[in-house]
Amino acid sequence: IAGITQAPTSQILAAGRRMTLRCTQDMRHNAMYWYRQDLGLGLRLIHYSNTAGTTGKGEVPDGYSVSRANTDDFPLTLASAVPSQTSVYFCASSLTEKGTEAFFGQGTRLTVV
Amino acid sequence: AQRVTQPEKLLSVFKGAPVELKCNYSYSGSPELFWYVQYSRQRLQLLLRHISRESIKGFTADLNKGETSFHLKKPFAQEEDSAMYYCALTNQAGTALIFGKGTTLSVSS
Repeated sequence: IAGITQAPTSQILAAGRRMTLRCTQDMRHNAMYWYRQDLGLGLRLIHYSNTAGTTGKGEVPDGYSVSRANTDDFPLTLASAVPSQTSVYFCASSLTEKGTEAFFGQGTRLTVV
Repeated sequence: AQRVTQPEKLLSVFKGAPVELKCNYSYSGSPELFWYVQYSRQRLQLLLRHISRESIKGFTADLNKGETSFHLKKPFAQEEDSAMYYCALTNQAGTALIFGKGTTLSVSS
């Protein structure tokens, strides 16, 4: 089934540990994004990639890194997790970066303790 | 700076009542505006975009450049409309969507 898939669905992580959230899409979309969703703050952009091989920083990039080695995958890494990174993380993709529909994954609920 | 403002965190209406979810934006130039919806336990999905001028599930939204608004409207709310609604626009650099903080719509019978 075509779409965008995130893994894991949820995770409890000890502070200081390293964690990679996975995101894969099979729609051959050029652009991919990572957002975090927090109550009262809505969706905030962490990092984005407009095409394979390029990435950019969003509104809240500190503590996160991404890579885009190919079109399909866009992993998000927390090098050393902190409790303020407890959130629901959404990966999304779109055919192009501007004015086209963004498709979202089902989200990863991360709790840092 | 580009920004999306949704002034209401929660909007509660009765079934059959009209609904208006407010969205205001700041943007230099001609914005690309969208409404996204997230139903309970489902992923975020596009509801409508201003360039399409379409009506989806009875919802419409008109871009008012003078008031810098893109309010979402429906004449008669249904219980299945209960969800979180996000207004969004494409950022100035054209690299990603900027979202508002969202409005929870609760429709009760």
